[in-house]
Amino acid sequence: GAVVSQHPSWVICKSGTSVKIECRSLDFQATTMFWYRQFPKQSLMLMATSNEGSKATYEQGVEKDKFLINHASLTLSTLTVTSAHPEDSSFYICSASMGSVEKLFFGSGTQLSVL
Amino acid sequence: AQTVTQSQPEMSVQEAETVTLSCTYDTSESDYYLFWYKQPPSRQMILVIRQEAYKQQNATENRFSVNFQKAAKSFSLKISDSQLGDAAMYFCAYKGPGTYKYIFGTGTRLKVLA
Repeated sequence: GAVVSQHPSWVICKSGTSVKIECRSLDFQATTMFWYRQFPKQSLMLMATSNEGSKATYEQGVEKDKFLINHASLTLSTLTVTSAHPEDSSFYICSASMGSVEKLFFGSGTQLSVL
Repeated sequence: AQTVTQSQPEMSVQEAETVTLSCTYDTSESDYYLFWYKQPPSRQMILVIRQEAYKQQNATENRFSVNFQKAAKSFSLKISDSQLGDAAMYFCAYKGPGTYKYIFGTGTRLKVLA
């Protein structure tokens, strides 16, 4: 089956620093990748949708300058949390679509803790 | 706008018994997809089962089956012969036509009692 690798699985950083999270489709080309945020015991909240080679589409209320998304290739999308603050602490999950296949494949998530 | 509602925050089932998780959704579309995802303590999202709205037959995957009632906009998940490994958060999700955006419900935490 299709595998999506997300790295790192957890990261602790100081307030004010930036953190980059990578999402890779290992055995397929991902035409579209999605980034979600999940608070404890809550559902997944879609943050943005990224297509290879184009700018990401952000959901309402998500700061595009805070959460930078780059989908440079068909197998890699990155989420950079810039100038992180404690309120950015959360579980971030990526997912990828193979195009016409009506399935999403999820990464294993990244727990971000900002001190 | 489309919405997905899971009215059961938590459910418990005895090992080897059957449990049904509820999900309702709202949409004006006729062609869409519905999913059940499992999120175990590892937090890895795992696809359990998928239903295409234009198919009247309920989807089945081994011990997992759905009761898809299109007119009622209901999509429940039945887990038969529950196992300890079934303990997880279960999310119902909707995907409309022409988009890969999934709308997730708030989840149901399933506990399996030995």
